[in-house]
Amino acid sequence: GAGVSQSPSNKVTEKGKDVELRCDPISGHTALYWYRQRLGQGLEFLIYFQGNSAPDKSGLPSDRFSAERTGESVSTLTIQRTQQEDSAVYLCASSWSQDTGELFFGEGSRLTVL
Amino acid sequence: AQTVTQSQPEMSVQEAETVTLSCTYDTSESDYYLFWYKQPPSRQMILVIRQEAYKQQNATENRFSVNFQKAAKSFSLKISDSQLGDAAMYFCAYRGTTSGTYKYIFGTGTRLKVLA
Repeated sequence: GAGVSQSPSNKVTEKGKDVELRCDPISGHTALYWYRQRLGQGLEFLIYFQGNSAPDKSGLPSDRFSAERTGESVSTLTIQRTQQEDSAVYLCASSWSQDTGELFFGEGSRLTVL
Repeated sequence: AQTVTQSQPEMSVQEAETVTLSCTYDTSESDYYLFWYKQPPSRQMILVIRQEAYKQQNATENRFSVNFQKAAKSFSLKISDSQLGDAAMYFCAYRGTTSGTYKYIFGTGTRLKVLA
């Protein structure tokens, strides 16, 4: 596609439910990142995928968070047993490779946990 | 660990005037990238300007320029001839070049208001 696509754009869920967020990167981009942005705050790194290498999961805040990516295509971020503090915008970004230095962002998925 | 600090939560500038947004960072690496990203109310982050640490020359993109002081670990953004469309959150970001440092570290952002 022309840009990074994320779905859903908005998600409202009840505490304790599982949610899945999807990111479709720009075709050919080997690197993919997930960030969390709480209201009025900066971007918090969650996870990074580069090609078929092992992902950098160092930013995942708890074992309720997981992410997958098959090859250089779509990625899904799953949050199990959601909590109110998980409410945030989840941003996905991709880049050509780990060497280029420019990230292209999607518009994010706004998650609200009631 | 690398850190990025933006000490100005909010800045205001009169239309057509110049404003400078501050950013400092901490790293032990000698080569890295620095960025300024803009996030308008639409939420989508857009790259404004990028600087490679090994380049001494300050990056420039039209009305946007940076003052990169490697020794001081400072990376400020200057916006000249400010326009109403420049109003947004601006984030400074750092990215390393060695394995294990490829994640981008973002500052907390500066909200820029442009006054007509």
